[in-house]
Amino acid sequence: KNEVEQSPQNLTAQEGEFITINCSYSVGISALHWLQQHPGGGIVSLFMLSSGKKKHGRLIATINIQEKHSSLHITASHPRDSAVYICAVRSDRTSGSRLTFGEGTQLTVNP
Amino acid sequence: ETGVTQSPTHLIKTRGQQVTLRCSSQSGHNTVSWYQQALGQGPQFIFQYYREEENGRGNFPPRFSGLQFPNYSSELNVNALELDDSALYLCASSLGSDTQYFGPGTRLTVL
Repeated sequence: KNEVEQSPQNLTAQEGEFITINCSYSVGISALHWLQQHPGGGIVSLFMLSSGKKKHGRLIATINIQEKHSSLHITASHPRDSAVYICAVRSDRTSGSRLTFGEGTQLTVNP
Repeated sequence: ETGVTQSPTHLIKTRGQQVTLRCSSQSGHNTVSWYQQALGQGPQFIFQYYREEENGRGNFPPRFSGLQFPNYSSELNVNALELDDSALYLCASSLGSDTQYFGPGTRLTVL
């Protein structure tokens, strides 16, 4: 079992829909990241969370430390949101800032 | 644009050869992490360098080695290439354990 599990693996939505991507992890963490990867490989960091909730534009990320669970929400989705969304955690048991990644959620938003 | 650059963009090698990949950190960052991302999977941590010293290593064999230079740029070297080494190699720079900023990646194909 991976230390970081994401669901769903694939998600197709219509433009304007509200989208939720989930991430569960099994280790103690000091931070959780949500990342966006477009075709071609470039990765952009969306959020880094250690508690509570963060919002940036149409994106909202929440984390529940007790339940070891985080969600990424996209409101009013748009075709340009189509990408792979990856959850990654920084364990509180390892030195440095190494990240352990989930396998990603492929999001496709149709016009 | 994250300010993190990688070279080359693409590379084709044959089994048994050696390869060097390069990463230039974002200005002011002293930490570089390297990740391997096989097709359809999340990135896997290779190692991290902090102020020119290795600061954590993932489950990769010794033929994967690295360097960090005084200007905090970094190299990833892979000896005796195997077919399974074909992947996208990502570097990420950060200031200590703060948010990591990813480069665009180097896609390595081993034939």
